[in-house]
Amino acid sequence: SQTIHQWPATLVQPVGSPLSLECTVEGTSNPNLYWYRQAAGRGLQLLFYSVGIGQISSEVPQNLSASRPQDRQFILSSKKLLLSDSGFYLCAWSSPGEGKWLFFGEGSRLTVL
Amino acid sequence: AQSVTQLGSHVSVSEGALVLLRCNYSSSVPPYLFWYVQYPNQGLQLLLKYTSAATLVKGINGFEAEFKKSETSFHLTKPSAHMSDAAEYFCAVSDQGYSTLTFGKGTMLLVSP
Repeated sequence: SQTIHQWPATLVQPVGSPLSLECTVEGTSNPNLYWYRQAAGRGLQLLFYSVGIGQISSEVPQNLSASRPQDRQFILSSKKLLLSDSGFYLCAWSSPGEGKWLFFGEGSRLTVL
Repeated sequence: AQSVTQLGSHVSVSEGALVLLRCNYSSSVPPYLFWYVQYPNQGLQLLLKYTSAATLVKGINGFEAEFKKSETSFHLTKPSAHMSDAAEYFCAVSDQGYSTLTFGKGTMLLVSP
């Protein structure tokens, strides 16, 4: 069966520090991969998605970046965090193609102080 | 562009009462529609999906939703609420040809004894 792992689960970082959140999927090949951010009262905002290794689509201009170094690995990064980067970050995967539902990881809670 | 509107950021019901969570969508083509549930500090779990088959869709935990094209709606219902249904619920839409989902802002369901 397919599983998705996301870490760390909780992170407290000072403003201006770097960030790296990692997500891996097991039990499937060539998945679509996604990073969403959830802020209080704002629902889920799609940040990045990838349909293949090295292929990253950015949905929102920001100081975050994403990379997909391997087929089932998706990394969210920042060189310098802002207060506004605080939130709950969710990684998800889906099978390739349209109309496919997403399977979510357990999330990473980031607090920037 | 696709969008989702969930009416009511909070809905309160008594245990045993009918649950109705509203979702309206905007899509230029017949959409794929989804409902997800999120418990505190966890990822999202798929409740049910509409992918152009039967308009009445049954999901897990006794929930169901009906796709009404004329009303551009996909409301979520459950005949009898249980305390364990207390969570946040998200409606999502995906247009044909798209690999991404657009989420509503969520509705928090509160269940009182």
